[in-house]
Amino acid sequence: QKEVEQDPGPLSVPEGAIVSLNCTYSNSAFQYFMWYRQYSRKGPELLMYTYSSGNKEDGRFTAQVDKSSKYISLFIRDSQPSDSATYLCAMSISGNTGKLIFGQGTTLQVKP
Amino acid sequence: GAVVSQHPSRVICKSGTSVKIECRSLDFQATTMFWYRQFPKKSLMLMATSNEGSKATYEQGVEKDKFLINHASLTLSTLTVTSAHPEDSSFYICSAYRLIEGETQYFGPGTRLLVL
Repeated sequence: QKEVEQDPGPLSVPEGAIVSLNCTYSNSAFQYFMWYRQYSRKGPELLMYTYSSGNKEDGRFTAQVDKSSKYISLFIRDSQPSDSATYLCAMSISGNTGKLIFGQGTTLQVKP
Repeated sequence: GAVVSQHPSRVICKSGTSVKIECRSLDFQATTMFWYRQFPKKSLMLMATSNEGSKATYEQGVEKDKFLINHASLTLSTLTVTSAHPEDSSFYICSAYRLIEGETQYFGPGTRLLVL
C-alpha cells in the first residue's frame, strides 16, 4: 500500500463545474499538506498549503484536511479551461527536512 | 510564491557525454534543495536531497556516481548526469525547501534531457 493514494483520473468536467480532488494517506505523522498544479512539460506550482486539520480558501480554491480520516481534498469552484492540468497532493512530516511524499497526481480537463 | 530557476530547459546530448543542470533559488536562501525525476504521466520520483556545504543524500536505487550533486552555495545546486545513456532521458526537476509557516518546496520549471 502506498503512503499516499490519489486517483489518477483523468477527470473531465464542463467549464463552470465544481471540481473535487482527493487524496488519502496512511501515515498519521503527516502534518503539512500541499496541493501542486503541474501543466504539461512544466515544474509543479504550489497552489495551497495547509498545516494540520482544517480548511483554507484562496480565491476559487479550497483545501480541506481531515486528519482523523487521513483524507485531504482540493475544491475548485467555477472551473476554467485554464485549470486543465495535473494536480498533485503532497505531504510531509515536521522536522523531516521538508521531504515530500507525493500522490500519483490527478489529470483534470475542463472543457469549454 | 518563491522563484526557482533551472538551466538549461532542454538539452540533447550524445550517449557517453556528461550533462550539468543548474538549479537556482532566486529570491531566498535554500539550505536544502531536492532533485526529482519524472517520467511521462507519472508522479515525481525523488532522486536526492542536496544540502548546502555537505554531501547529498541519495534515495535507494539512485546511483550517486552517475548523478553527481553539488550544493556549493545557498542559492545554487547542480546535478551532473555522467556518461549519459538513452535510459537517462527524462524530465529532471529541482526544488528549494523553504520554512515559511511550515515546510514547503518550490519547484523549478524542469529540464528535459534527451540522450541520443
